[in-house]
Amino acid sequence: NAGVTQTPKFQVLKTGQSMTLQCAQDMNHNSMYWYRQDPGMGLRLIYYSASEGTTDKGEVPNGYNVSRLNKREFSLRLESAAPSQTSVYFCASKGENSYNEQFFGPGTRLTVL
Amino acid sequence: AQTVTQSQPEMSVQEAETVTLSCTYDTSESDYYLFWYKQPPSRQMILVIRQEAYKQQNATENRFSVNFQKAAKSFSLKISDSQLGDAAMYFCAYRDSGGSNYKLTFGKGTLLTVNP
Repeated sequence: NAGVTQTPKFQVLKTGQSMTLQCAQDMNHNSMYWYRQDPGMGLRLIYYSASEGTTDKGEVPNGYNVSRLNKREFSLRLESAAPSQTSVYFCASKGENSYNEQFFGPGTRLTVL
Repeated sequence: AQTVTQSQPEMSVQEAETVTLSCTYDTSESDYYLFWYKQPPSRQMILVIRQEAYKQQNATENRFSVNFQKAAKSFSLKISDSQLGDAAMYFCAYRDSGGSNYKLTFGKGTLLTVNP
């Protein structure tokens, strides 16, 4: 069981470039999430997907789009990267036990110059 | 909206001693879940311990325990017999019991240093 995997681990972009962050989970979870983590801050929710085919905005969705490709995969796209999007991005999926705890991927460190 | 506050940006502890990290939260809900996550330098978010609000008994996981005070909206983490591997950023997180998204709200974190 790999759990939640993310690619790439590191990325440097120039302002205005686009890219897609990939996330996959092998735990058969329905719900998946994208968070960003900035220095001195906790994680903030960008988008989430409660099930295959559905997506909803979180706390900080501006400048991002998402795709729930299938039950396993949930991608985050930056169409025109800005320096304010320099951050560490985490993908998570939600378990189905009573606590519904979230399991996190290893994160992607993105720098926008 | 729910908020989570961790008032200690940094803490330090001597190896083998005990340290307590503070967390307070604000909610109008009566049922909810609270979590402590550990983030070592590897960046991986690791679930340390969890507590359901309607359970009065404080959660315990080996050397980690919580002091959950529902009326005071306080959820502190106690680490006993601290080890060098406990050095990390610790995040307190809150989640409503229901809702369509099970969104986690995080505090800003406490950086724990363990001194040998």
